[in-house]
Amino acid sequence: GESVGLHLPTLSVQEGDNSIINCAYSNSASDYFIWYKQESGKGPQFIIDIRSNMDKRQGQRVTVLLNKTVKHLSLQIAATQPGDSAVYFCAENGGGYNKLIFGAGTRLAVHP
Amino acid sequence: NAGVTQTPKFRILKIGQSMTLQCTQDMNHNYMYWYRQDPGMGLKLIYYSVGAGITDKGEVPNGYNVSRSTTEDFPLRLELAAPSQTSVYFCASCWGGLSTDTQYFGPGTRLTVL
Repeated sequence: GESVGLHLPTLSVQEGDNSIINCAYSNSASDYFIWYKQESGKGPQFIIDIRSNMDKRQGQRVTVLLNKTVKHLSLQIAATQPGDSAVYFCAENGGGYNKLIFGAGTRLAVHP
Repeated sequence: NAGVTQTPKFRILKIGQSMTLQCTQDMNHNYMYWYRQDPGMGLKLIYYSVGAGITDKGEVPNGYNVSRSTTEDFPLRLELAAPSQTSVYFCASCWGGLSTDTQYFGPGTRLTVL
């Protein structure tokens, strides 16, 4: 899920498969990380978060993994559904005043 | 609650024109933010506010101004529109400045400068 400029990387999966979306973050001092989902024409929507003192957190059908050694986050979506089709962004928070730094995003396309 | 609302949804400006993007939240949130999102990119912070009367620059503030006269409203002003300001603009709000305070986003304003 790294930035490649104007063209978002796309992950294509079959409905029912598991999806893994990756993100590299930039600031080793960031203490909080969030995954957002953005559907076409809408604003980002919170999915799940994780503090820097954790390496895994699970939600409903989603799991976030954090590897601070290599500054890497991943979002796992179980049993991917057509409604999961969207652009997914990771964001890091470490600059005070809850200012977020967003990654470039990955487009998830779910095929029936 | 309507959450975070933004107007207009779409706007086309000519180079040199000015406009104000409106943002209102009804959640009594103290913190508000303006981001821009260029095609195929993540969001970048333009300005933010920690309360009425208090604003500060984000990562990309040049060409923009903000004000925060009330808790609810956080308008973004473009004085001399340039093609480089063609983007989608998102407003967000959250209760406080803790990293665990979730930011809620509006639906966005798509601006084209020709």
